[in-house]
Amino acid sequence: AQKITQTQPGMFVQEKEAVTLDCTYDTSDPSYGLFWYKQPSSGEMIFLIYQGSYDQQNATEGRYSLNFQKARKSANLVISASQLGDSAMYFCAMRGRGFGNEKLTFGTGTRLTIIP
Amino acid sequence: DAGITQSPRHKVTETGTPVTLRCHQTENHRYMYWYRQDPGHGLRLIHYSYGVKDTDKGEVSDGYSVSRSKTEDFLLTLESATSSQTSVYFCAIRENNPQETQYFGPGTRLLVL
Repeated sequence: AQKITQTQPGMFVQEKEAVTLDCTYDTSDPSYGLFWYKQPSSGEMIFLIYQGSYDQQNATEGRYSLNFQKARKSANLVISASQLGDSAMYFCAMRGRGFGNEKLTFGTGTRLTIIP
Repeated sequence: DAGITQSPRHKVTETGTPVTLRCHQTENHRYMYWYRQDPGHGLRLIHYSYGVKDTDKGEVSDGYSVSRSKTEDFLLTLESATSSQTSVYFCAIRENNPQETQYFGPGTRLLVL
């Protein structure tokens, strides 16, 4: 079984500051992928960034980076230079690799509010 | 943009009535998924499809059925809607890349009275 834990229900961050959203996971799969999605108030789910369990380097996508610590089973999302448009719900998710592993397991999310 | 549309986008129905939600994709993706989103639960997989007429259950499949008669359409049916099925329903496709990223449609907000 897979489990994602996001312990920060809500965060308030000053505009232009960096923010770290926490995510810890648990799985027995030897190979897996970790994903972060953004859900703005309009409701759509937007893919942000991916980290594979065997990737040697932390993933980066523009202002988003993933602080992956495999031994600690953590996959924190870091947003640099936050903007007002970053205000949204953020979900961490994981999926085991291999045939039959189709389910994305989601955490309960963190609501990020950027303060001007 | 993964070319996913969902219809209807909003629906209000009464307990006991059948409801069908449609997911349409334009990019010939093999894998399609239905999730539901409820407060405090994140998204949970209902059913998925790995090809025409090939479907399998997810973790919350009770009370739901699916059909996929052609690649571009994946239908989710609530045979007899209950108030516990009030939720936001998301369709997703799996991109054919090494990460196998799932991209989501805009969602359907369903209220069962």
